Amino acid sequence: GESVGLHLPTLSVQEGDNSIINCAYSNSASDYFIWYKQESGKGPQFIIDIRSNMDKRQGQRVTVLLNKTVKHLSLQIAATQPGDSAVYFCAENMSGNNRLAFGKGNQVVVIP
Amino acid sequence: GAVVSQHPSWVICKSGTSVKIECRSLDFQATTMFWYRQFPKQSLMLMATSNEGSKATYEQGVEKDKFLINHASLTLSTLTVTSAHPEDSSFYICSARARSGVTDTQYFGPGTRLTVL
Repeated sequence: GESVGLHLPTLSVQEGDNSIINCAYSNSASDYFIWYKQESGKGPQFIIDIRSNMDKRQGQRVTVLLNKTVKHLSLQIAATQPGDSAVYFCAENMSGNNRLAFGKGNQVVVIP
Repeated sequence: GAVVSQHPSWVICKSGTSVKIECRSLDFQATTMFWYRQFPKQSLMLMATSNEGSKATYEQGVEKDKFLINHASLTLSTLTVTSAHPEDSSFYICSARARSGVTDTQYFGPGTRLTVL
């Protein structure tokens, strides 16, 4: 559903450190999850996805962890770079349902 | 990778006019396209789901007569904001899902900033 409020949770991280962004999803029937990165004034950019039959998936510098028991998703960014500064959204999808439900977003600020 | 474009990237219009936004999948065929709107510091809100050759499915609370959606081909969907008012000012983003359906991944366009004076 639509998020409310004007203040996004913000994670400030030193350049070179690892970042962890968390997301709680709502639908226990969701079986596909995606992390998107959105820079200011741009559309969301696909980062990594994971299906519910997995609990971990790795990409280039990113890892997604899925804990279905507590309906929790996390995104880990290794060696965070200034270009990683953006808002990160998790999204969930239920098989057979076209629609994605987006989380509220987390702002990541990388300090040089 | 899958590329989705939008045109225009920004538009300023007077209250009462209509504005058309185009969404194109450039390197794949999209049986399904989606339209979202996003207010500052907020998440994406799905407005409607558009299937090629059929009527769009609107989310609850979205006026279908105000936000006209046409999905004329497998690579083009348009959103027309009719009789726009200042409260329609927002960032409108489309996404497209690949026809192969191997994954449910939606690829997003760059967005269109609409400002209604």
